[in-house]
Amino acid sequence: SQELEQSPQSLIVQEGKNLTINCTSSKTLYGLYWYKQKYGEGLIFLMMLQKGGEEKSHEKITAKLDEKKQQSSLHITASQPSHAGIYLCGADIIPYKYIFGTGTRLKVLA
Amino acid sequence: EAQVTQNPRYLITVTGKKLTVTCSQNMNHEYMSWYRQDPGLGLRQIYYSMNVEVTDKGDVPEGYKVSRKEKRNFPLILESPSPNQTSLYFCASSSASGLETQYFGPGTRLLVL
Repeated sequence: SQELEQSPQSLIVQEGKNLTINCTSSKTLYGLYWYKQKYGEGLIFLMMLQKGGEEKSHEKITAKLDEKKQQSSLHITASQPSHAGIYLCGADIIPYKYIFGTGTRLKVLA
Repeated sequence: EAQVTQNPRYLITVTGKKLTVTCSQNMNHEYMSWYRQDPGLGLRQIYYSMNVEVTDKGDVPEGYKVSRKEKRNFPLILESPSPNQTSLYFCASSSASGLETQYFGPGTRLLVL
């Protein structure tokens, strides 16, 4: 069974719209990571969250980790075509042994 | 430029023919790891290495071998590839000083006939 559940699996939004991607674990996480992947290419690091309740922002992307460190959300404000790709959450339940969600495919319509 | 490189990028082979996918990083990272990515299953960890001569299994190690003789290199070996090992493979590295993010290579697409 997948230990990190991501939702939705895919998302199509109109340019300029806001969107949220969720990542949920049944276990407490040491760290939660968000990556972006262009189709068939390597992963690009976006953000890392470690503390319960932590929130980080970079440009138009904000990520939050809940107090229990079991759920994270990634929010994109005023989406652009450049935001299109696959968003993956990753986590280490024990140090250095990583698990990943199955990803959310985002398409932004111009 | 800080980077993780993988070779080859694309490979078609036949069942049972031994192959090696190389991974190299130029960031002096202690930690290196191999993943495979499959549709519907996401990214799964195969093996990882905390430092030279220290390796451990990830979630899907069966059919794979690794070695870490030098800090910068972490090759993935398929002794007898099978069609179910057809996948997209990624190597990653990070500093072991804490919960550092991993830097990923560009991926190796493998097809086993």
